[in-house]
Amino acid sequence: ETGVTQSPTHLIKTRGQQVTLRCSSQSGHNTVSWYQQALGQGPQFIFQYYREEENGRGNFPPRFSGLQFPNYSSELNVNALELDDSALYLCASSTNWGNTIYFGEGSWLTVV
Amino acid sequence: QKEVEQNSGPLSVPEGAIASLNCTYSDRVSQSFFWYRQYSGKSPELIMSIYSNGDKEDGRFTAQLNKASQYVSLLIRDSQPSDSATYLCAVDCGASKIIFGSGTRLSIRP
Repeated sequence: ETGVTQSPTHLIKTRGQQVTLRCSSQSGHNTVSWYQQALGQGPQFIFQYYREEENGRGNFPPRFSGLQFPNYSSELNVNALELDDSALYLCASSTNWGNTIYFGEGSWLTVV
Repeated sequence: QKEVEQNSGPLSVPEGAIASLNCTYSDRVSQSFFWYRQYSGKSPELIMSIYSNGDKEDGRFTAQLNKASQYVSLLIRDSQPSDSATYLCAVDCGASKIIFGSGTRLSIRP
């Protein structure tokens, strides 16, 4: 139990649609990172938010966007969904001075 | 492109034996290294972190770090069937941006 909660746990979307995934970080953690994990792969870094600003981005197109709110919770938005976006989306929280990240249970997205 | 490399496995180890998992990384300036365990259908959970060259022990787990060789390993002593999972090596590439390997599948056979 990491104290990081994500919603929804599972969802199915149609190609071309948009999706929003949500994350509440562990108490005291002000930094949120999002990862995409395709089947059989390790988690791939999408981006990180600190103090409501994007603080680093991996190799993902602009249709992947995010927000962080004053309470440090976060959203991941994906527009124009493609079949290859089907994956487990993981939110991880940390403090800005520590580098250990703790994952939530993830959101399973299936695009059909 | 900063990379973390792991053998995908599967690595099959008899119950009670030592399981040895290996990882190499490309970013020489990395200072923090992590091992996560991931059961099928679940999210990764942190097992060990290591920051200094040498060994770090926690129960049945020992992490080993060699920064000169850019090499991290995880040893699991007295392997149990519950240790069967995918083990992810992760490297801090700066400012809490953690980069993961693709993971090694470990199977403990009774």
